[in-house]
Amino acid sequence: DIVLTQTPLSSPVTLGQPASISCRSGRSLVHSDGNTYLSWLQQRPGQPPRSLIYKVSNRLPGVPDRFSGSGAGTDFTLKISRVEAEDVGVYYCMQLTQNPVTFGQGTKVEI
Amino acid sequence: EVQLVESGGGLVQPGGSLRLSCAASGYTFTNHWMHWVRQAPGKGLEWVSRIDVDGSDAIYADSVRGRFTISRDNTKNTVYLQMDSLRAEDTAVYYCARCTWGPDFWGQGTLVTVSS
Repeated sequence: DIVLTQTPLSSPVTLGQPASISCRSGRSLVHSDGNTYLSWLQQRPGQPPRSLIYKVSNRLPGVPDRFSGSGAGTDFTLKISRVEAEDVGVYYCMQLTQNPVTFGQGTKVEI
Repeated sequence: EVQLVESGGGLVQPGGSLRLSCAASGYTFTNHWMHWVRQAPGKGLEWVSRIDVDGSDAIYADSVRGRFTISRDNTKNTVYLQMDSLRAEDTAVYYCARCTWGPDFWGQGTLVTVSS
């Protein structure tokens, strides 16, 4: 199974300041079709997951542009350019390149 | 508006069975693979199973293979998770998710509690 390691596991942030979460994979996430199926999810307290990013860097409709994804191969990053209060929650990376699908452990973003 | 509504959770004894349903609306159901993902209390997300658009290909996590069965009824726009031989460690909120290039919509979840 592909192991995804997120750092940090907890990230105290200041409103208006940037935040960054790293997701490192134990193996390349490049699929044989050339795509990299790495997604980022947000889970606010008491809420179901919400998808933010797919295929490394593509924001889903309705996701604020302060969220951005980058990376390639085995190293990926989610950045929040200016943290807002509503961004508090746990963020997960998820890979769908290889079965079984796996998640990172989650990074708690708190003010 | 895309909606995914899970149902069928509840309290069940170890060794028992439950069938979860996820009713989809607001989009063309047959265009998307579907996933089940679970979250034990206070824990992270764990992928459970995935099914392709016509139900011909399904895959499972090792932790549930042989006990859980995913299926879909494209006439009812519904995906199911049949859970047999339930264990205490299956206690979790179960979410269904629509998948395009990755999951893009999630349901609210249904709680399954396995306890005597």
